[in-house]
Amino acid sequence: DVKVTQSSRYLVKRTGEKVFLECVQDMDHENMFWYRQDPGLGLRLIYFSYDVKMKEKGDIPEGYSVSREKKERFSLILESASTNQTSMYLCASRPQGNYGYTFGSGTRLTVV
Amino acid sequence: QQQVKQSPQSLIVQKGGISIINCAYENTAFDYFPWYQQFPGKGPALLIAIRPDVSEKKEGRFTISFNKSAKQFSLHIMDSQPGDSATYFCAATLNNDMRFGAGTRLTVKP
Repeated sequence: DVKVTQSSRYLVKRTGEKVFLECVQDMDHENMFWYRQDPGLGLRLIYFSYDVKMKEKGDIPEGYSVSREKKERFSLILESASTNQTSMYLCASRPQGNYGYTFGSGTRLTVV
Repeated sequence: QQQVKQSPQSLIVQKGGISIINCAYENTAFDYFPWYQQFPGKGPALLIAIRPDVSEKKEGRFTISFNKSAKQFSLHIMDSQPGDSATYFCAATLNNDMRFGAGTRLTVKP
C-alpha cells in the first residue's frame, strides 16, 4: 500500500514563528498536495507539485510556501504563523495518469 | 467560491437503514467524482468513485448515483452499520484540481 507520512500529528506554535510541515510518500508519485481542513469548509488546496522543484498555487496560498527538493518529500512552510492558520493540514499524493489520491493522517496545528 | 455543494451537513441513521448524501457541482469539465471516508484522527480514504459516462456504480453496500444533466451525484450506503460512522466527503476532479464538498458527519445508531 502507498504510504503518505506526515512528520507530526500535533504541533503547537507561537504567532510569528516559522513552521515546517513535512510529508513523505513511498511510492514514487509525481504529484503531491497540501490541503487544510476546517469544519464546514471541507478540504481546501494550498499548493501542489507535479514534479521535483515544481509548484503551483492552489486556492489559498497566502501565508504559505512549499518546497520539493526530492520526489518523495513535499514540505509546507508557514513563513510567519498566525492564529488563523490553526487548522488540520493534510498531505496527499497521486501518480501521473491516475486520480487515486492517498492522504496522510494529518497534522493538527495550533498557533497561539 | 464553492464548486461542490454537499448536503446534509450531518446525518443520523439507525443500524440497517439507508444513508444518502448528496452533492452538486458546477464545472461540467470535471471528469472524476470520488467519495472519501474519514475517521477521527485519520486522513480521508478513497471509498468509491465514478466517471461521468456511467450513471451508477456499486461496490458492496456503497453505491454512487450520477446525474450528469442535473450535475448531481449521491452516495447511498445500504444496511448502514455503526462502523460506517465517519465523515464523508464528495469531490470533483479535473487533472490536479480536486474540489471537495464541505463534508457530512454520519452517525449510525445501534
